[in-house]
Amino acid sequence: GAGVSQSPSNKVTEKGKDVELRCDPISGHTALYWYRQRLGQGLEFLIYFQGNSAPDKSGLPSDRFSAERTGESVSTLTIQRTQQEDSAVYLCASSLWAWSGANVLTFGAGSRLTVL
Amino acid sequence: ILNVEQSPQSLHVQEGDSTNFTCSFPSSNFYALHWYRWETAKSPEALFVMTLNGDEKKKGRISATLNTKEGYSYLYIKGSQPEDSATYLCACDDQTGANNLFFGTGTRLTVIP
Repeated sequence: GAGVSQSPSNKVTEKGKDVELRCDPISGHTALYWYRQRLGQGLEFLIYFQGNSAPDKSGLPSDRFSAERTGESVSTLTIQRTQQEDSAVYLCASSLWAWSGANVLTFGAGSRLTVL
Repeated sequence: ILNVEQSPQSLHVQEGDSTNFTCSFPSSNFYALHWYRWETAKSPEALFVMTLNGDEKKKGRISATLNTKEGYSYLYIKGSQPEDSATYLCACDDQTGANNLFFGTGTRLTVIP
């Protein structure tokens, strides 16, 4: 597609429910990242996928968080048993070539999650 | 994890004023410095990527400089316009993990018409 698409754009859920966030990266981008921004904080790295390599899950805050990616296409971020501290904007980004810090990320518009 | 700091946290300027803000990062193991602009209800958009000490990049009225030895970058906006209102994010990559960009909390700029 022309850009990185994320859905839903807004999600309000009750504490304890599971949520699934979707990211559709730019076609041909081999790398895909998930970040989140909680109120008043910076962008926090969550997980990174590069091609068919094992994902870097070092940023996932707990085992309630998981993410999948099918090949070099769509990714889903799943949060189980949501807690209020999970409320944040979840951003997905993709890039063409990941093994260089000078590589530019293209971001989606984000999914705003509110846990009541 | 890299500690990337941005200041000020927020800034209000009058239309036509020039302004600048700062990104600080650890100077050891530096690899690249990114600036992104994040407008409300839109996606963060890349402005600049800089890697060399002394680098200076320019895009219209916006420019950025990089000092890797002392660990800072400045972003300048000349003749601010209301459409410049956004959060400006700085991110740093080190050589230990090319897959991670470490972001600061951003500077929220509001340009008053």
